[in-house]
Amino acid sequence: AQRVTQPEKLLSVFKGAPVELKCNYSYSGSPELFWYVQYSRQRLQLLLRHISRESIKGFTADLNKGETSFHLKKPFAQEEDSAMYYCALSERQTGANNLFFGTGTRLTVIP
Amino acid sequence: NAGVTQTPKFRVLKTGQSMTLLCAQDMNHEYMYWYRQDPGMGLRLIHYSVGEGTTAKGEVPDGYNVSRLKKQNFLLGLESAAPSQTSVYFCASSQRDRNTEAFFGQGTRLTVV
Repeated sequence: AQRVTQPEKLLSVFKGAPVELKCNYSYSGSPELFWYVQYSRQRLQLLLRHISRESIKGFTADLNKGETSFHLKKPFAQEEDSAMYYCALSERQTGANNLFFGTGTRLTVIP
Repeated sequence: NAGVTQTPKFRVLKTGQSMTLLCAQDMNHEYMYWYRQDPGMGLRLIHYSVGEGTTAKGEVPDGYNVSRLKKQNFLLGLESAAPSQTSVYFCASSQRDRNTEAFFGQGTRLTVV
């Protein structure tokens, strides 16, 4: 079952432009949602989680249960934001914090 | 501060050969996971473990076996490698808490020819 959908494989924006990476999910319970990022030649790392309602590196993501979305946004893109971004959903009912990932969006910020 | 370390980083296997990927974490995490990453498919869970001596199947477990004899180590075995197992493999670990962060290894790029 497709739990997380990221409709854009590639996204290019100019430096200083707003960025929105889309994520939609399907889950019957109370979702735990995350954004992970993989910079070039670095390991996958957590960017932010919905429960924290935090802003990390200028990025925010709001959980919209009505639209089952968790889009990642940043008002002004920077070159260092270029990376692969994965939306992920955690299912506790499997007995662990198993993460189910979307297919990822590669963001390129054009100078 | 090693975090999660995977061995080896790269490997080329011939079809039918076997190998073991080692994952070690030094954060005293209870939970450990093995994922594979394929183009256009994101990361998919192979097997996971909720503690020493326990393992369970994930989304794509066929062709793989795992063991967690020590809390800090999680081994992924391929008994008879197939070209379809060509992928990048990631190990991760996390605490038990809800909404907790998963820490990933640097990945192992495996090619089966």
